[in-house]
Amino acid sequence: QSALTQPASVSGSPGQSITISCTGTSSDVGSYNLVSWYQQHPGKAPKLMIYEGSKRPSGVSNRFSGSKSGNTASLTISGLQAEDEADYYCCSYAGSSTFNVVFGGGTKLTVL
Amino acid sequence: QVQLQESGPGLVKPSETLSLTCAVSGYSISSGYYWGWIRQPPGKGLEWIGSIYHSGSTYYNPSLKSRVTISVDTSKNQFSLKLSSVTAADTAVYYCARHLVVVTATNFDYWGQGTLVTVSS
Repeated sequence: QSALTQPASVSGSPGQSITISCTGTSSDVGSYNLVSWYQQHPGKAPKLMIYEGSKRPSGVSNRFSGSKSGNTASLTISGLQAEDEADYYCCSYAGSSTFNVVFGGGTKLTVL
Repeated sequence: QVQLQESGPGLVKPSETLSLTCAVSGYSISSGYYWGWIRQPPGKGLEWIGSIYHSGSTYYNPSLKSRVTISVDTSKNQFSLKLSSVTAADTAVYYCARHLVVVTATNFDYWGQGTLVTVSS
């Protein structure tokens, strides 16, 4: 199972909104499976930001939101702040005949 | 507060077996959830290795399945990873995490800090 496809990098200025895409197939993102999103700062463990496609864990800012259309899931960050600069990864269950979990290749967000 | 902590050798020789343990505190493994291992080669992305249910049922990444064994010790509230026949390509930061799997989704909600394992002679 191939990794999900994400843009290598995105950038935005403070206060702006950006969207990171995560493209899969009908076997993962496009099926009933809902994507999770993770934020990772350098040298740190990933942090869950969005689960089940659009839900936020307790403590995660409502500036982070998730959505899906067809085989593509998206993470939108509104009101960009300097501390949002990090790597972001999407993740999906990908099992068809066997249990499998796949991550996207990651997107580096730069806050200009 | 659920906390996970990886431990194990930071250096493994090629062709040998990598062994790591993840100690869980603040939550009893026996209470449920899957418990997973994820790795990240230096400068690269995340790769799911496999997960184990508290009952002992295991699921592995198909690309690593032939070399991976994950086990659980509920009495010590910890779970372990063994990866055999390692090569330099297995050099990575290894994370353990609590893994939620429901009918429509999967996610990792609590993570360990990660431990770097280098494969080198």
